[in-house]
Amino acid sequence: GAGVSQSPRYKVTKRGQDVALRCDPISGHVSLYWYRQALGQGPEFLTYFNYEAQQDKSGLPNDRFSAERPEGSISTLTIQRTEQRDSAMYRCASSPNPGSEQYFGPGTRLTVT
Amino acid sequence: GENVEQHPSTLSVQEGDSAVIKCTYSDSASNYFPWYKQELGKGPQLIIDIRSNVGEKKDQRIAVTLNKTAKHFSLHITETQPEDSAVYFCAASTIVGYGGATNKLIFGTGTLLAVQP
Repeated sequence: GAGVSQSPRYKVTKRGQDVALRCDPISGHVSLYWYRQALGQGPEFLTYFNYEAQQDKSGLPNDRFSAERPEGSISTLTIQRTEQRDSAMYRCASSPNPGSEQYFGPGTRLTVT
Repeated sequence: GENVEQHPSTLSVQEGDSAVIKCTYSDSASNYFPWYKQELGKGPQLIIDIRSNVGEKKDQRIAVTLNKTAKHFSLHITETQPEDSAVYFCAASTIVGYGGATNKLIFGTGTLLAVQP
């Protein structure tokens, strides 16, 4: 079946611009996670949803980062006033239920110039 | 907070040999330990996981062992093949299900496994 999909796969933006990254979880999955992965490192947690409720946003670096999942399916991670340090691979994962296995998408490579 | 350490950072083995990757975690409340394989340009792929009520789990050529007392867990790959070459990540989580708490994964730093034909 279809896995987790993310769009765009690559995004180049200028410093100061806003970007929106989209995640389509596996159909029917309750939980959705956002992670950020720097080159050569493991994914680092950003935020987590059960259905449409944001359960934990403790990993968001600052208030320029926000996420939503308004209908409990697709999620958007928004970064306002991007900075060069925001450049990274942003990964989304979904799981059937809270606490069950997480399946990762291919990621969005964000480059801020 | 939870911290996961992973060793070695690189591992080179001959085809057919076994490979072992070890991780330690700091939070005694951690109860879920997945392993992911990440190939170049792809997202992490779950290959096996273990929960704290189990000491060992096997799936064909891969196995994971968990020592809760020592707070470490290991991935064992037997009869390695060139297609096993990838970066492997361990992770730990405190799973509480619903109820507002997070079930986030804390990842190790990764092991680059190279299987020489």
